[in-house]
Amino acid sequence: DTGVSQDPRHKITKRGQNVTFRCDPISEHNRLYWYRQTLGQGPEFLTYFQNEAQLEKSRLLSDRFSAERPKGSFSTLEIQRTEQGDSAMYLCASSFPYGRTDTGELFFGEGSRLTVL
Amino acid sequence: AQTVTQSQPEMSVQEAETVTLSCTYDTSENNYYLFWYKQPPSRQMILVIRQEAYKQQNATENRFSVNFQKAAKSFSLKISDSQLGDTAMYFCAFMKHGSGGSNYKLTFGKGTLLTVNP
Repeated sequence: DTGVSQDPRHKITKRGQNVTFRCDPISEHNRLYWYRQTLGQGPEFLTYFQNEAQLEKSRLLSDRFSAERPKGSFSTLEIQRTEQGDSAMYLCASSFPYGRTDTGELFFGEGSRLTVL
Repeated sequence: AQTVTQSQPEMSVQEAETVTLSCTYDTSENNYYLFWYKQPPSRQMILVIRQEAYKQQNATENRFSVNFQKAAKSFSLKISDSQLGDTAMYFCAFMKHGSGGSNYKLTFGKGTLLTVNP
């Protein structure tokens, strides 16, 4: 198993442009999470999926943000009309292997760093 | 809503010595997990240790141990025999669990930057 992978690792964009991040979770995990982390802060919860169902969204996830997990495997996080305040590291994590005990542990990817100019 | 507080933004320790990182949390839940995650510079976050709230015994993982005080809502991490590779940001995190959509998400503290000096 190669772990959680995220793409791209770095994205620089101009204000007003749209960006999309992709996350491939650990294959046997059915929960997938998106977090945002700004410099010197702890990760803040954005949203999570169980299989393809989006079970919770944070108030941080404004109308410009949308996340999908169409087939219960990979997920995308799109930010439309980016603003400078969107500059952050976007972390994806997965958990809960099918048919095994849920320990609560989340496995994180290395993140996608967004810089909005 | 749950909150997690880490009151030490930065700490340092000499190699081979012991250091304790503090964490307090606030919740009205009875069924939850607590975690310490480590985030090395420019690397992914990994789990250091976890504690289930219903267990009175403190969790240990090799050089890492916790002091879990449920009534005081305190969850500190002790690192013994500190190594240079322990240099990282350490996050305390809370997760309630059970049925329901709002469970199973982590709430993090702001982190403590630990530097191990040679």
